[in-house]
Amino acid sequence: NAGVTQTPKFQVLKTGQSMTLQCAQDMNHNSMYWYRQDPGMGLRLIYYSASEGTTDKGEVPNGYNVSRLNKREFSLRLESAAPSQTSVYFCASSVGGETQYFGPGTRLLVL
Amino acid sequence: AQSVTQPDIHITVSEGASLELRCNYSYGATPYLFWYVQSPGQGLQLLLKYFSGDTLVQGIKGFEAEFKRSQSSFNLRKPSVHWSDAAEYFCAVAITDSNYQLIWGAGTKLIIKP
Repeated sequence: NAGVTQTPKFQVLKTGQSMTLQCAQDMNHNSMYWYRQDPGMGLRLIYYSASEGTTDKGEVPNGYNVSRLNKREFSLRLESAAPSQTSVYFCASSVGGETQYFGPGTRLLVL
Repeated sequence: AQSVTQPDIHITVSEGASLELRCNYSYGATPYLFWYVQSPGQGLQLLLKYFSGDTLVQGIKGFEAEFKRSQSSFNLRKPSVHWSDAAEYFCAVAITDSNYQLIWGAGTKLIIKP
């Protein structure tokens, strides 16, 4: 039981490049989330998916898109990366929303 | 608007001393409250949570937290800290009428003096 896994662990992009961050969970959870973490700002919700087939914007969705591929997988896409998107990205999942379980994070640097 | 405030950005405590990390929230309904810990370079791990019932909740690693509705607080405590407790601690409140989205505090970094 791996819990929540994220790939890649680290990524360096040039401004304007695109990439997809992958997240998968093996706990049969309904809800999945994408956060970004910046120093001194805690975690901010980018997008979430309350159940398979649904996605909703969080606090900071601009510049991102998501896909809930199936119950297990929830990907985050940066279509045209900007330096302001340099951050640590965390994926999380929960059964019905109350207690969230986190992946190890993806560290992204946009030059 | 809902918010979570952790007033202390850093706290330094000697090993073996007691610890209290403060958390205040602003939320109109009955809150669901959480404390998470993040070790350097790691993801977040749930320490404890409060949904209802006994206002003193026990968590992992010897931590406890007390919910005080009158003070809108959910402070985290530990009687005796260990060097391995050095980490960043985050308080969060779940918005129960919005798919339980979590509103996060900015975190408190705990430094342990030998």
